[in-house]
Amino acid sequence: QKEVEQDPGPLSVPEGAIVSLNCTYSNSAFQYFMWYRQYSRKGPELLMYTYSSGNKEDGRFTAQVDKSSKYISLFIRDSQPSDSATYLCAMSGVGNTPLVFGKGTRLSVIA
Amino acid sequence: DSGVTQTPKHLITATGQRVTLRCSPRSGDLSVYWYQQSLDQGLQFLIQYYNGEERAKGNILERFSAQQFPDLHSELNLSSLELGDSALYFCASSPRGGQTGDIQYFGAGTRLSVL
Repeated sequence: QKEVEQDPGPLSVPEGAIVSLNCTYSNSAFQYFMWYRQYSRKGPELLMYTYSSGNKEDGRFTAQVDKSSKYISLFIRDSQPSDSATYLCAMSGVGNTPLVFGKGTRLSVIA
Repeated sequence: DSGVTQTPKHLITATGQRVTLRCSPRSGDLSVYWYQQSLDQGLQFLIQYYNGEERAKGNILERFSAQQFPDLHSELNLSSLELGDSALYFCASSPRGGQTGDIQYFGAGTRLSVL
């Protein structure tokens, strides 16, 4: 079993839809959870950063962490064509532990 | 623009050859990380340098090596290249040594094609 599992998609939704992206993980030492967005031919850029369980909201984006289920989610409200990208979840433990990434979910928002 | 600069953008070479990828971190960042991204494996951590010293090692092959120079730029050397080394190679930098809360900022990557 891989440490981090992420459905690769692709996921195609109409503009304005609510998008739900998810990752599951197996390592209970993970404490820090991130979502990166990667546009085609670009490097990943940090979208959301959360610590431990709970919710974090930033504009149209909400990140949720459920450590008891080892499950994290990213919700995108009122999705826009400019949200079309690959979304990567990433997580790490305490201290200088490497980031472990999911393989990414490719999202297309159709106008 | 993340502030992390990678050169070259594209590299085409033959099996058995050696190449060098270069990374300039964001101004003030002390840590540099190297990652390999392929379709089947996703983004894999290779190695981290902090202020010139190796800090952490991931799934880096023995044919690959890296270093960080006094001006904090870093180079990733790939030798005896194989077809399977074809991938995107990303550099990231962070302000500190990767401690809790240290955010990594990624460059645009170098696309390596081994023919």
